Amino acid sequence: QVQLVQSGAEVKKPGASVKVSCKTSGYTFTGYYIHWVRQAPGQGLEWLGWINSNSGGIKYAQKFQGRVTMTRDTSISTAYMELSRLRSDDTAVYYCAKDGSDASIAAAGTLPIDYWGQGTLVTVSS
Amino acid sequence: ETTLTQSPAFMSATPGDKVNISCKASQDIDDDMNWYQQKPGEAPIFIIQEATTLVPGIPPRFSGSGYGTDFTLTINNIESEDAAYYFCLQHDNFPLTFGQGTKVEIK
Repeated sequence: QVQLVQSGAEVKKPGASVKVSCKTSGYTFTGYYIHWVRQAPGQGLEWLGWINSNSGGIKYAQKFQGRVTMTRDTSISTAYMELSRLRSDDTAVYYCAKDGSDASIAAAGTLPIDYWGQGTLVTVSS
Repeated sequence: ETTLTQSPAFMSATPGDKVNISCKASQDIDDDMNWYQQKPGEAPIFIIQEATTLVPGIPPRFSGSGYGTDFTLTINNIESEDAAYYFCLQHDNFPLTFGQGTKVEIK
């Protein structure tokens, strides 16, 4: 079965960076896009961007341009999201999620997200 | 950017009730609306795709309706195991956007 397993909770100081991993199994990693989404306490979900797990192509939400970096390691079917220059309002649960679109023939978002990771709590506090 | 307005934010239901959750889009998104269920500490689960299609393995008491800007998730004969947070997601355009979510409590 499809699984996305994320790395554990992190506590960071303002100004630092955090890197969250998302190890996948149960499907062909390079066949699909991975999205990153976050949810701050008491807030709704917010999309950060996607990465094409095959080509490494990326698209970031404008709000996070310059602060977010998405990468992948195809040898271990794992995607990564790094957020830099952390602020207190970056405190949130960060999720990776698999796009349903075949990355070899379709653009990201042609089909919806079909599987999610369990989330990683990132706390930014001095 | 497409804003999704989801309501209500909270609802309390009795087993056997019919529950409706609304998600309104700020612009026409055809049928590119999807619904997810999330229980505390767990990954969200995909329950309705393309506005009206039940994801395989999801109980048929869940259904979706709507097109364009107005969408509804319906849970018929709600059960105690349906207590969860539900949210909508549009994939018609980027950035992907989400409703604010609905917490469903079972009395």
